[in-house]
Amino acid sequence: AQKVTQAQTEISVVEKEDVTLDCVYETRDTTYYLFWYKQPPSGELVFLIRRNSFDEQNEISGRYSWNFQKSTSSFNFTITASQVVDSAVYFCALSETWRGGSEKLVFGKGTKLTVNP
Amino acid sequence: GAVVSQHPSWVICKSGTSVKIECRSLDFQATTMFWYRQFPKQSLMLMATSNEGSKATYEQGVEKDKFLINHASLTLSTLTVTSAHPEDSSFYICSARGIQIQLYEQYFGPGTRLTVT
Repeated sequence: AQKVTQAQTEISVVEKEDVTLDCVYETRDTTYYLFWYKQPPSGELVFLIRRNSFDEQNEISGRYSWNFQKSTSSFNFTITASQVVDSAVYFCALSETWRGGSEKLVFGKGTKLTVNP
Repeated sequence: GAVVSQHPSWVICKSGTSVKIECRSLDFQATTMFWYRQFPKQSLMLMATSNEGSKATYEQGVEKDKFLINHASLTLSTLTVTSAHPEDSSFYICSARGIQIQLYEQYFGPGTRLTVT
């Protein structure tokens, strides 16, 4: 069965600090997708990134970067020079392999990030 | 593109009444829709998966007679909470996946906050 573990429940940093959110996953599928979502206080999920299991290249998007290590089943997310607007709950999620469109997303428990001015 | 809306965004109802939540894909045809429930400070838990024109598939522990899901068209799915009780108070989020858009991608609605008094 799929499982996503986000061991950090809450993280608090001061603005401009770098912060890394950890995500470890378990799956028996050889093909799968990993996601990160941001959930601000308004509640709406904001899609950040999707990564397939065959692509281990790190990705950078502005202040955000992701490190996918298949050997350790981790998909960590780093925010560089954090800002107050980054304060939110961040979820890591794992999608099952292709099942004709009904693949489920399994979410981690989320990490609440607070960036203080 | 790939916008999903939910209506209402919040609702308060009395114990024992039923409430319907709508999930619409605005600019794509959603062959599959997912319903999640999120309790305060917790993760998203999948309740059910619905494919257009078929009966929904419920996750273990979710009462299908209490949470009625209808996916009658390619742009609309509804979740009806029947005989609501205070413990049903939660944040309900839908997501949609379509055949014309990227595989493995679920597009999330903004959520509906249900309070049962």
